[in-house]
Amino acid sequence: SAVISQKPSRDICQRGTSLTIQCQVDSQVTMMFWYRQQPGQSLTLIATANQGSEATYESGFVIDKFPISRPNLTFSTLTVSNMSPEDSSIYLCSVGPQAPNEQFFGPGTRLTVL
Amino acid sequence: QKEVEQNSGPLSVPEGAIASLNCTYSDRGSQSFFWYRQYSGKSPELIMSIYSNGDKEDGRFTAQLNKASQYVSLLIRDSQPSDSATYLCAVKGDYKLSFGAGTTVTVRA
Repeated sequence: SAVISQKPSRDICQRGTSLTIQCQVDSQVTMMFWYRQQPGQSLTLIATANQGSEATYESGFVIDKFPISRPNLTFSTLTVSNMSPEDSSIYLCSVGPQAPNEQFFGPGTRLTVL
Repeated sequence: QKEVEQNSGPLSVPEGAIASLNCTYSDRGSQSFFWYRQYSGKSPELIMSIYSNGDKEDGRFTAQLNKASQYVSLLIRDSQPSDSATYLCAVKGDYKLSFGAGTTVTVRA
């Protein structure tokens, strides 16, 4: 499976600021996804990062709050904008499909907003 | 109705016993089903995938799929303390995974 890295691994931020999370994959992948996992909760898909075009956002998530870039097939960024304490979560990058139809997760970014 | 539902936990089993985890899903057209294991403070790790009806075994893990009943399960045989984690059922629709809430398993020595 692809090796996925994320930066930063964790951060503590002040409300009203923005944080950009990077996801790097060691091989070209068709699809990259960004998820959020709030404390004690399961995973929620934020958006699909599309190479060369705008990301596809899920219901409840908007581009102004979570702008995403995907300049090539191995890299993507997620920005959490104008943060509030409610944005405190783990943010996970995921890639797929990997043969035959599997999806794998990066190590995550643990964000705390004060 | 939630898309993917898992049996509520936590589930506590003695070491060496079988842990049984259940999952139902609502989208009858789903074709791919996965079990992820998530240790506290870590990201989800894929442990099983299953695509056709029946059983699939991998070491101490067995996944079972019944598409007619829209049901998928995971059995962990000879449970070890290292199996203590949250297990997430995931179902793939057209392009995305939908996750259940997870079942936390504790294996007591």
